[in-house]
Amino acid sequence: DTGVSQDPRHKITKRGQNVTFRCDPISEHNRLYWYRQTLGQGPEFLTYFQNEAQLEKSRLLSDRFSAERPKGSFSTLEIQRTEQGDSAMYLCASSLGVGTGAFFGQGTRLTVV
Amino acid sequence: GESVGLHLPTLSVQEGDNSIINCAYSNSASDYFIWYKQESGKGPQFIIDIRSNMDKRQGQRVTVLLNKTVKHLSLQIAATQPGDSAVYFCAEGLNTPLVFGKGTRLSVIA
Repeated sequence: DTGVSQDPRHKITKRGQNVTFRCDPISEHNRLYWYRQTLGQGPEFLTYFQNEAQLEKSRLLSDRFSAERPKGSFSTLEIQRTEQGDSAMYLCASSLGVGTGAFFGQGTRLTVV
Repeated sequence: GESVGLHLPTLSVQEGDNSIINCAYSNSASDYFIWYKQESGKGPQFIIDIRSNMDKRQGQRVTVLLNKTVKHLSLQIAATQPGDSAVYFCAEGLNTPLVFGKGTRLSVIA
């Protein structure tokens, strides 16, 4: 499968715990995006990378959230001290660059209990 | 600020009929649009895109129309099938990350 891969697909965690998600983009895609989606809503932009550089972060991305893309390939999204309001689907997408379509992974569904 | 929205939250169509899903955008500088299909529990699936220098683009059973005068985008699905049942999102972006609307749920009645 050469599409965007996300791991894990599901994560249940207790409030206050830290979680980390991984995204492997389509090979040679230099742009990588993280989105969050709650039930009944469209995906909301969190942050994106051009190669290893993090170019933009949404105001939705609180200090508890951090994302990295150390070698310009896979990316990780970490949430520290999780809260119930963090429960959502976390989506990763990649694209070749400006003006090209973004392709999404299947997402990681986070449930904070 | 820019926003992308949809006219109808739900749409029900008979199998075999054509479906039209609409989307309005407010940023007149928007220059690239994508339609996505999202099935329950899955990530959005790229359907078709269009740039602002085009009015129409066709794919397999799908057509996207762009009216820049009224800032309106539509997705037409020909001969709608049960497998087309999903939530459809339009999204806007070129140099900026994609901005999504809330989506339209398409239900196909067999």
